[in-house]
Amino acid sequence: AQTVTQSQPEMSVQEAETVTLSCTYDTSESNYYLFWYKQPPSRQMILVIRQEAYKQQNATENRFSVNFQKAAKSFSLKISDSQLGDTAMYFCFLGDDKIIFGKGTRLHILP
Amino acid sequence: GAVVSQHPSWVICKSGTSVKIECRSLDFQATTMFWYRQFPKQSLMLMATSNEGSKATYEQGVEKDKFLINHASLTLSTLTVTSAHPEDSSFYICSALEMGRGSEQYFGPGTRLTVT
Repeated sequence: AQTVTQSQPEMSVQEAETVTLSCTYDTSESNYYLFWYKQPPSRQMILVIRQEAYKQQNATENRFSVNFQKAAKSFSLKISDSQLGDTAMYFCFLGDDKIIFGKGTRLHILP
Repeated sequence: GAVVSQHPSWVICKSGTSVKIECRSLDFQATTMFWYRQFPKQSLMLMATSNEGSKATYEQGVEKDKFLINHASLTLSTLTVTSAHPEDSSFYICSALEMGRGSEQYFGPGTRLTVT
């Protein structure tokens, strides 16, 4: 069965620090997508970054990057130079023939 | 591009009444839409998958007669909470997949339902 696990329910870091959110998953599919979405206090879900499983290169979007380890089925999100606006709930999504997602990590950026 | 709207953004209804929430893809066609429920400070719960022109697929434990989903066109899906009770009060979010664009979801802004 497909699963997505986010092992860190809540994290706090100081502004400007780097933080890594973990996500592990399980799927029998060979072709799939992985996503990180953030949900700030406004509750609007926003796509942070996406990764196609067939691509070996880790996706990067400005301060956000992923460490995609396909064999280990790991898809962690690194936020560099964290900002107060990064405070949000972060969800890891797996998309293959179904949509599966983790329980989320609540990230607090402290001033 | 790829904007999803929800209407209403906030609704209060009396116990026993029904309420309809609309989810629209404004600038793209969506063959598949999803409905989620979220409690305060809680994770998301996928309620159902809605495909245009066919019956919705409900997740285990979700009452299909309580939460009616209709995906009548490529840009509109509706969720009707029938005979609402206070325990149905929640934040409901829809998302849509754009045709031919893989499994990236575009999320609506959500609807806060309060049943009194």
